[in-house]
Amino acid sequence: QSVLTQPPSASGTPGQRVTISCSGSSSNIGTNTVNWYQQLPGTAPKLLIYDNNQRPSGVPDRFSGSKSGTSASLAISGLQSGDEVDYFCAAWDDSLNGYVFGTGTKVTVL
Amino acid sequence: EVQLVQSGAEVKKPGESLKISCKGSGYSFATYWIGWVRQMPGKGLEWMGIIYPGDSDTRYSPSFQGQVTISADKSISTAYLQWSSLKASDTAMYYCARGYDSSGYLYSYYMDVWGKGTTVTVSS
Repeated sequence: QSVLTQPPSASGTPGQRVTISCSGSSSNIGTNTVNWYQQLPGTAPKLLIYDNNQRPSGVPDRFSGSKSGTSASLAISGLQSGDEVDYFCAAWDDSLNGYVFGTGTKVTVL
Repeated sequence: EVQLVQSGAEVKKPGESLKISCKGSGYSFATYWIGWVRQMPGKGLEWMGIIYPGDSDTRYSPSFQGQVTISADKSISTAYLQWSSLKASDTAMYYCARGYDSSGYLYSYYMDVWGKGTTVTVSS
């Protein structure tokens, strides 16, 4: 089972702001940087946020990341129908000496 | 353009061996990590391990250590994931992805370019 815990689902209406949490521990989020990936159905994951709050080129500024202690969050503002996909957090874990993904959150646009 | 091209879908029987590939282009293959990620049908992402083609430094997730072998041939910019004896539970989509780490100690590691995935089906 994953060591990073996310809510299974999150929802909002178009234009709203939605936040997804990612809870870890001192051996992963507490020490290392957090990344977020977006996965559309039937496609490979795409890097959305790296180094806690950095957006790769091409990612809209509607997506933002933050970290505090052993938790991290992804915020999606101005929610759009195309945002209705899966999101995964991830971080290096010093105890496991490996990279760990969160359990994943499916966003629904109501 | 930076891209990773994975080998095609595979259908195998339990007990058979398999080696799938991931060819990088558009960047210096030897100087970035290549990682492998499993996604079982309808499930989340599982990190399997990584390799640094420049010196073949390889790390495995404890969940996959001893179950698979990760290798790379930097001369042809290709990484591999192999099984010696497949099980039905290995049925999944397998992604390779380029890994970047600015820290030198992997604490800021992330996967920035992904292949399209290789579907592996193991069935008798």
